[in-house]
Amino acid sequence: EAQVTQNPRYLITVTGKKLTVTCSQNMNHEYMSWYRQDPGLGLRQIYYSMNVEVTDKGDVPEGYKVSRKEKRNFPLILESPSPNQTSLYFCASRRTSGSIYNEQFFGPGTRLTVL
Amino acid sequence: GQQVMQIPQYQHVQEGEDFTTYCNSSTTLSNIQWYKQRPGGHPVFLIQLVKSGEVKKQKRLTFQFGEAKKNSSLHITATQTTDVGTYFCAGRGNTPLVFGKGTRLSVIA
Repeated sequence: EAQVTQNPRYLITVTGKKLTVTCSQNMNHEYMSWYRQDPGLGLRQIYYSMNVEVTDKGDVPEGYKVSRKEKRNFPLILESPSPNQTSLYFCASRRTSGSIYNEQFFGPGTRLTVL
Repeated sequence: GQQVMQIPQYQHVQEGEDFTTYCNSSTTLSNIQWYKQRPGGHPVFLIQLVKSGEVKKQKRLTFQFGEAKKNSSLHITATQTTDVGTYFCAGRGNTPLVFGKGTRLSVIA
């Protein structure tokens, strides 16, 4: 089944404790992206990657890191989480060639709480 | 940078009533996409519009892309309880996909 998976789905942590949220897709998509969703603010892009070893900042990159060493994986790293990073996080992927392949597939989401 | 505004933020309708959400971009778009997010779920792709003035239908849903390719709308005819959720537009210009803040639809049976 074509899908984007994220782990963990739920995480409660404390300020300053480094964490990684994993994202993996099995559709051989070139493009991957991370979003955070907060009430009243919609989906805001954190980082995106056009392909392996190519990453770029989105609208709200502060406090986050990403890496794209393999095509299928795009982990989100919070080196020193703070309470304002409490949010619902979505990973997404899509092809980059051909207009009919622009559909973004989203993972199930990771609900992060930073105390 | 590119901004995509979506209104209304919330809409409560009686089952059977129609519903429309509107999306406006600050810049001309190459295409626009619509997604639906059910409560507790993740956004799911509904459709993509590419051509100026394009209109597409999916059963009770009608999607339009403006002539100037700066605005779009989603209209649902005779809403059902299964239509509950948040509807997002997402526009692509010269930047990666930019999402509107979404319209949360509640349907009262």
